[in-house]
Amino acid sequence: NAGVTQTPKFRVLKTGQSMTLLCAQDMNHEYMYWYRQDPGMGLRLIHYSVGEGTTAKGEVPDGYNVSRLKKQNFLLGLESAAPSQTSVYFCASRDGRANEKLFFGSGTQLSVL
Amino acid sequence: AQSVTQLDSHVSVSEGTPVLLRCNYSSSYSPSLFWYVQHPNKGLQLLLKYTSAATLVKGINGFEAEFKKSETSFHLTKPSAHMSDAAEYFCVVRGTSGGYQKVTFGTGTKLQVIP
Repeated sequence: NAGVTQTPKFRVLKTGQSMTLLCAQDMNHEYMYWYRQDPGMGLRLIHYSVGEGTTAKGEVPDGYNVSRLKKQNFLLGLESAAPSQTSVYFCASRDGRANEKLFFGSGTQLSVL
Repeated sequence: AQSVTQLDSHVSVSEGTPVLLRCNYSSSYSPSLFWYVQHPNKGLQLLLKYTSAATLVKGINGFEAEFKKSETSFHLTKPSAHMSDAAEYFCVVRGTSGGYQKVTFGTGTKLQVIP
């Protein structure tokens, strides 16, 4: 049971480049989330999904797009990377029951130069 | 709207002394509350969660938290700090907003344990 897997673990981009972060979970979870973690800011929600084919904006969605074409995968895209998007990105998932904990991936360290 | 406030960005304790990490929340409905821990260069791990069954919640590694509705608090405590407790701790509230469940993290408290 792999849990939540994020790829890649590290990436360096130049300003204006695009990339996609992949999150995969094998627990049949309904809910999936993308967060970014910056020093002194905690985790901020970028986008989330409550089921296959659905997405919704979180606190800081600008500059990001997401897709949930398959239940097990939640993709985070940066169309034109900016230095302000340098951060550590975490994906998380949980099932639909109340009070169920979040399962986190190990994070993706992204630097935009 | 919901929010969570961690009152201290840094806490420093001596090994063997008690730990108190403070968290206050705001939620329109009865919230679900959690504490997560993140060790350096690691992902996040659930310490404990409040399920409304009991106001005093016991978690892993000797941590516990008490839900106080009147004070809208969910402070994390441990009787005796260990060096391995040095990490960043996040208080989390989950509630319903716009028909969807949203999860909101606090800004984190870094715990330093001094030998």
